[in-house]
Amino acid sequence: GQSLEQPSEVTAVEGAIVQINCTYQTSGFYGLSWYQQHDGGAPTFLSYNALDGLEETGRFSSFLSRSDSYGYLLLQELQMKDSASYFCAVSPHAGNNRKLIWGLGTSLAVNP
Amino acid sequence: NAGVTQTPKFQVLKTGQSMTLQCAQDMNHNSMYWYRQDPGMGLRLIYYSASEGTTDKGEVPNGYNVSRLNKREFSLRLESAAPSQTSVYFCASSEMVETYEQYFGPGTRLTVT
Repeated sequence: GQSLEQPSEVTAVEGAIVQINCTYQTSGFYGLSWYQQHDGGAPTFLSYNALDGLEETGRFSSFLSRSDSYGYLLLQELQMKDSASYFCAVSPHAGNNRKLIWGLGTSLAVNP
Repeated sequence: NAGVTQTPKFQVLKTGQSMTLQCAQDMNHNSMYWYRQDPGMGLRLIYYSASEGTTDKGEVPNGYNVSRLNKREFSLRLESAAPSQTSVYFCASSEMVETYEQYFGPGTRLTVT
C-alpha cells in the first residue's frame, strides 16, 4: 500500500520553532510537497523537495531524506497566523500523471 | 486572474437528489482534480483529468461522475446523493511543472440529509 504518516496535532508558542515530520511509503517517488490549510480555507502550496537537503523559503524550510523516506517542515519565528493544518504529499508518478498522495494532516496550534 | 473557481459554495441536498458541482480554472492548466475532505481523513481524490478529454478514477469514485467539458471546466456530478457524501469538495488544477503544485478552489460545503 501507499501511505504517509505525520503527527495529528502539534502545539507551540509564538516565536518558537516547530518541526512537522512526514514519513512515506509509496511505490514511486518524485518529490515531497507541503501544503497549508487554514480552517474553512483551501490548501495552499508551501514547498517542494525533489532532492535530499533543505529548501528555505522565508520563515519556512522543508527537508528531505530520500534514503530514509522522510521529510519535515520547519516553521521558525512562529506567529498566531501560522495556526493551521499542514499536509505533506508525495508525487509518485512522472510525466503526465500529476496525482499526489496526501498525508492526513497535522493541526498546528500556536499559542500566545 | 480568478484562479480556480467553484460553484456553489454551500449546498444542502436531500437523500436521493442529484446535483452538479462546477469548477473552472483560468490558468490554462492541463490537469484538474476533484477531492473530498472529511474531518480526520485528509484529502481524498475522487476523480482527476490529466488533460482535456481524459478522466480517471481516484481513490473514492463510487457515487460520482465527472465531465471534463473543455480545458477550463471540470464538473462533478452526484446522481443520487447519500448522507455519506456530506463533505467539503475541492477542485484543483496543476500544470506540468517540476513542483507538481496544485491550485485549489475555495471549496463547496455539501450536506446531505
